[in-house]
Amino acid sequence: GQQLNQSPQSMFIQEGEDVSMNCTSSSIFNTWLWYKQDPGEGPVLLIALYKAGELTSNGRLTAQFGITRKDSFLNISASIPSDVGIYFCAGRGSQGNLIFGKGTKLSVKP
Amino acid sequence: DGGITQSPKYLFRKEGQNVTLSCEQNLNHDAMYWYRQDPGQGLRLIYYSQIVNDFQKGDIAEGYSVSREKKESFPLTVTSAQKNPTAFYLCASSIAGVTDTQYFGPGTRLTVL
Repeated sequence: GQQLNQSPQSMFIQEGEDVSMNCTSSSIFNTWLWYKQDPGEGPVLLIALYKAGELTSNGRLTAQFGITRKDSFLNISASIPSDVGIYFCAGRGSQGNLIFGKGTKLSVKP
Repeated sequence: DGGITQSPKYLFRKEGQNVTLSCEQNLNHDAMYWYRQDPGQGLRLIYYSQIVNDFQKGDIAEGYSVSREKKESFPLTVTSAQKNPTAFYLCASSIAGVTDTQYFGPGTRLTVL
């Protein structure tokens, strides 16, 4: 079946640094979604991407839908302590269902 | 104050018992979903329902059952047939079908002793 590879698995950064994470697949996806999950909570939608090449921002967050439709990246600029959490990418496959990456755990040192 | 609620937040059960997890939404969404999350893993789809009185199996439906008698409610029963039931369970909903953006509830952590 369709699978997503999300990297890196975890990141430890200093407050103020920029962060970049990505998801890749051998399959084509029609939609890419990025979620953030705080410990013990449900994921919260950050950015949704619907067209190849689309670049969308939400505050300090920027995400892009790859031209090949097989990848997406998320950037966080000037990280702050509340950015801590697990970031998930999700791609919408040919069957319409969402396929989730395994997440990138972000830790921010003040 | 619209949203998705899951209760309880934490649930403990003895092995061999069935347990039902609640999921309610007042967003007027047609579609609802149940996912399972294990440490270091992505979310895996258990069941989903696009309309009242209809639901489909996801990738890991074995050992689980659901019902959709009302638009607002989509309870999940973890049966004794589920071999590894201890996990974090997430409910989600979307406006219409599976192609719409999904919004998640706060989750229920089930521990089977």
